[in-house]
Amino acid sequence: DVKVTQSSRYLVKRTGEKVFLECVQDMDHENMFWYRQDPGLGLRLIYFSYDVKMKEKGDIPEGYSVSREKKERFSLILESASTNQTSMYLCASSLSRRELFFGEGSRLTVL
Amino acid sequence: QKEVEQDPGPLSVPEGAIVSLNCTYSNSAFQYFMWYRQYSRKGPELLMYTYSSGNKEDGRFTAQVDKSSKYISLFIRDSQPSDSATYLCAMSGPNDYKLSFGAGTTVTVRA
Repeated sequence: DVKVTQSSRYLVKRTGEKVFLECVQDMDHENMFWYRQDPGLGLRLIYFSYDVKMKEKGDIPEGYSVSREKKERFSLILESASTNQTSMYLCASSLSRRELFFGEGSRLTVL
Repeated sequence: QKEVEQDPGPLSVPEGAIVSLNCTYSNSAFQYFMWYRQYSRKGPELLMYTYSSGNKEDGRFTAQVDKSSKYISLFIRDSQPSDSATYLCAMSGPNDYKLSFGAGTTVTVRA
């Protein structure tokens, strides 16, 4: 089975802190994605990557950056966390453009 | 206007009832249509995938796509308490890396 592992399930950070969310997949997938999920808004794409060291902005990239140094690892970085970045963050990987395999999510609270 | 509209519910039905979920969309380029299921405190997982218009059946689940009306549906027959989850529709165009998601409908099946 495909496994997408997000390093932290729950995080509490203070405004202005730098936050790293790590994601690792074990199926050699080319494509990886970071979404955030908020009630009433569904999943919104922050960034995605279709190859090592390649990245593309999604719909809401402001305030975020990403890093993909190895194929299996895709990191989301909040350079200076703000309260409006309190959310559930979901990492996903895929081989095709249709089926995404999601991790269990990282719930971030920014105080 | 959102690209994909989905009634967030919540929807509560007795065990054995038929559950009907739907999404509308505005982008006529969408060709791939998916339903994801998300249990509480878990990431979404792919439930059904349909290409273009038509119906697809998988056990108790039926997905329908009407491209002329820009409307997709998911039906769950003989619903079970284990079907209690949030159901998200998702769709993409032929050359998209990213999926556009609905907000998700929360379904509770009462025993």
